[in-house]
Order: sequence, then structure tokens, then C-alpha cells
Amino acid sequence: AQTVTQSQPEMSVQEAETVTLSCTYDTSESDYYLFWYKQPPSRQMILVIRQEAYKQQNATENRFSVNFQKAAKSFSLKISDSQLGDAAMYFCAYRRLGQNFVFGPGTRLSVLP
Amino acid sequence: EAQVTQNPRYLITVTGKKLTVTCSQNMNHEYMSWYRQDPGLGLRQIYYSMNVEVTDKGDVPEGYKVSRKEKRNFPLILESPSPNQTSLYFCASRGLARGVGRNEQYFGPGTRLTVT
Repeated sequence: AQTVTQSQPEMSVQEAETVTLSCTYDTSESDYYLFWYKQPPSRQMILVIRQEAYKQQNATENRFSVNFQKAAKSFSLKISDSQLGDAAMYFCAYRRLGQNFVFGPGTRLSVLP
Repeated sequence: EAQVTQNPRYLITVTGKKLTVTCSQNMNHEYMSWYRQDPGLGLRQIYYSMNVEVTDKGDVPEGYKVSRKEKRNFPLILESPSPNQTSLYFCASRGLARGVGRNEQYFGPGTRLTVT
């Protein structure tokens, strides 16, 4: 079965600085999708960024970017110019084509003013 | 507005008292799913449905039931709740047809359930 690991239960970053959240996954498949979801205190699950495994180019959404290392099965999220509103729980998720989502345990990010 | 709604948002109940958490989506999505979220475990799938009258177990189905009589609704039923079902529950949906949106999963706002 596929598994997703987030080795950092908690992280903190100074406002305006850059932080990287780690995610590794285990799969024998070559075609799949990877996601980062943000869960603020409101508990709403918000899609931050998505990466298709067949694409070599790393996905970017404004201040959010990923470092996708397919051979290493690594999918880290970089947040640049961190803002107070970035404070949240972040979940990494994997989905194989036609299959269900598998989520990691989450990383709680604090942003210090 | 495209959305997934859940009710109730908060629920405190006692052991053994049957309850239903409703879920509805207005995006005509074929696929719907229920998750529970627990600290240190992330989101774990309880049940999912690929279409009307088609449901299947996820990773943690024990103690739960679902039904999919209409495309838009996917209620979660706890016939005899126990304290270990105290959790945060999310309903989600996504389309299965080809297109950009096929991979995006939309979540409801969550239901905080406490079983005493």
C-alpha cells in the first residue's frame, strides 16, 4: 500500500522568511499525482498546489513552489515570503490514477511576527 | 457557488445513540468520500462512492455505514457510536470525467464529533 510520510510534526518560520516542508512517499507506480493541502484554524481543507508525476517541471503557485524528486520519491513544499496567514496544518497527499487519496500525518506551521 | 456542505458542523452525543452526518455537493461529481482526521494520523478514508448505488470501504470502515441514493448526497451513518469515533470528519467530492478538475478534490467544512 502507498504511504505518505511527513517527518516534521511542527515547523516555525519568521514572517517574510522562507520555509520548506518535507514529504516523502512510497509507491511502485510511475503515473500519479501529488498534492499539498493547507488546513487553517477554520479547519477548511484548501488545495495549495498540485504536481503530476509525468511532468518534470516543478509546480509553482505564487509564493508556493515544490521540489519534486521522482527518483527519491520526495515532494517538498517551499513557502517564500511567509505571511501570518500561512500559519496552518499542511498535508501532503498522493493519488494514483483511478485510486483514492492517501494523506500524510501533517506538519503544523507557525509563523512568527 | 461550487461547494460541499456538511451538517451538523458540531455534534456531541452519547455512546450507542445512532446519528447521521449529511453531505451534499452541487458540482454533479460522481465520486464522493468520507474521511476522519485524527492528530498524528492525517486524514484516513472511511468509505467512498464512485457513483449512485456504488459504495466501497476505505481504510477505516468499521463502525460506519454510508449510502448513495442520489448523486449529490452521501450521508455517513454511525449506528452505535463509540468514544473512539470521536474525531473530525470530512466529506469530499471530485469529478471523474476527463478534464483539469478531475484531479481536484473538494472538501466540506468538516464535522467535529464527540462521543461520550
